[in-house]
Amino acid sequence: DSGVTQTPKHLITATGQRVTLRCSPRSGDLSVYWYQQSLDQGLQFLIQYYNGEERAKGNILERFSAQQFPDLHSELNLSSLELGDSALYFCASSVASGGKTDTQYFGPGTRLTVL
Amino acid sequence: AQTVTQSQPEMSVQEAETVTLSCTYDTSENNYYLFWYKQPPSRQMILVIRQEAYKQQNATENRFSVNFQKAAKSFSLKISDSQLGDTAMYFCAFTLYTGANSKLTFGKGITLSVRP
Repeated sequence: DSGVTQTPKHLITATGQRVTLRCSPRSGDLSVYWYQQSLDQGLQFLIQYYNGEERAKGNILERFSAQQFPDLHSELNLSSLELGDSALYFCASSVASGGKTDTQYFGPGTRLTVL
Repeated sequence: AQTVTQSQPEMSVQEAETVTLSCTYDTSENNYYLFWYKQPPSRQMILVIRQEAYKQQNATENRFSVNFQKAAKSFSLKISDSQLGDTAMYFCAFTLYTGANSKLTFGKGITLSVRP
């Protein structure tokens, strides 16, 4: 158990819908990262938040957005869903403070299926 | 941009034997970290081992060790005394030493099967 929690574990929805994925980082970790794992794209970095602020953006679609709340949990919002958005979405967290890169620990993932 | 290449899509090893998984990367930076993550059938991403580029000594964690060749930009993972529980997909990953901005760039992964 990494200490990172993600809900829900599984999500099945229809095209055009909107969903919210939730992540709680390990105690003491200030940074949250979101990754997408799909068969054709592999593991792709989406976005990073550090202590409530957006720090880095990767291959995140405009239909996707995220935020980190004062209690440091994060939500990833996916809207106008398409079949191609079906994937495993991971959240990871790290301390990432004091200017030092450190290890990211991953949550169990949310499996999103768009029908 | 940094890239990570894992050219072997699949490998198989007999239980109790040793196997080496290959990874190469490309970067023009000097300070970075390299990782191996394991993804078993449960799909959980589990950290196996980490190497800081500024350290010459190869990292070791129990049965897992790396061969880090900075000049060659090579980072292979050796698994000794393979166990059935080592069956998983293994990802090599790279991140720059940039402080709070530290996204991971992953290779495509290699599927390792341990045979009884």
